[in-house]
Amino acid sequence: GAVVSQHPSWVICKSGTSVKIECRSLDFQATTMFWYRQFPKQSLMLMATSNEGSKATYEQGVEKDKFLINHASLTLSTLTVTSAHPEDSSFYICSAKSPSGRTDTQYFGPGTRLTVL
Amino acid sequence: AQSVTQPDIHITVSEGASLELRCNYSYGATPYLFWYVQSPGQGLQLLLKYFSGDTLVQGIKGFEAEFKRSQSSFNLRKPSVHWSDAAEYFCAVGPPDGGKFQFGAGTQVVVTP
Repeated sequence: GAVVSQHPSWVICKSGTSVKIECRSLDFQATTMFWYRQFPKQSLMLMATSNEGSKATYEQGVEKDKFLINHASLTLSTLTVTSAHPEDSSFYICSAKSPSGRTDTQYFGPGTRLTVL
Repeated sequence: AQSVTQPDIHITVSEGASLELRCNYSYGATPYLFWYVQSPGQGLQLLLKYFSGDTLVQGIKGFEAEFKRSQSSFNLRKPSVHWSDAAEYFCAVGPPDGGKFQFGAGTQVVVTP
C-alpha cells in the first residue's frame, strides 16, 4: 500500500523558536495533503488542507501566520510552527490523497510529537 | 453538517471476550465510513472501510463492521479480543471526492487478562 512518512517523528524545542515538520508521500503523487493536530486523549482535528502549488486552506480558528504550510511538490508538504509556545505542544499528523479522487486513497503518516519547553 | 459520534469514551474488555464499538454519523449524502486504530504515540492504521455494497465489511486483525443506514450507524466488532487490541479506535466519515475527513472523538479500549 501507499506510504506516507513524516520527519521528524519527535522534536523538542525552546519557546520562541520555529519548527518544520515534513510530510512525504513515498510511492505516489499527492495533489492534496491534510494536516491534523491531536491533543492527548483527544481526536484528530483538521488544521488545513494543502494543495500542490497553491495556498493552503485553513480551518476556522487555525492561525495561518503561525502554522505555515507549503506544498511545493507532489510528494512533499511542510508544516512550520512559527514562534512556538508550550501550548503548541501536540501530536501533528499529516495525510496524503492520491489523485484518483476516491476517499480510500487518503493515507496517514505516523505523526510527529512536538514538545515546546 | 457532517458529524461522527462515538458514544463510548472508554471500554474495558477481558481478553478473549467480544468487543463492539459504536459509531453514529450524520451526513448529507451517502457516507464513506472508516474505522482506524491508533496505538500510543503512533499514527493511524486503517482497519476497514465502507463505500457501498455489502453492509457487513471485513477488515484486518479480525475486525468487522456493519453499516446500518436506518440507524445511521457503523459499529465495529471483534469476536475475541487479544491483548494487542488495546488502543484508541476512531470512526471517520468522508466525502466521495477524497476530501476532508470528520473523525469521532475516539474510544479507548483496555484489555484485561
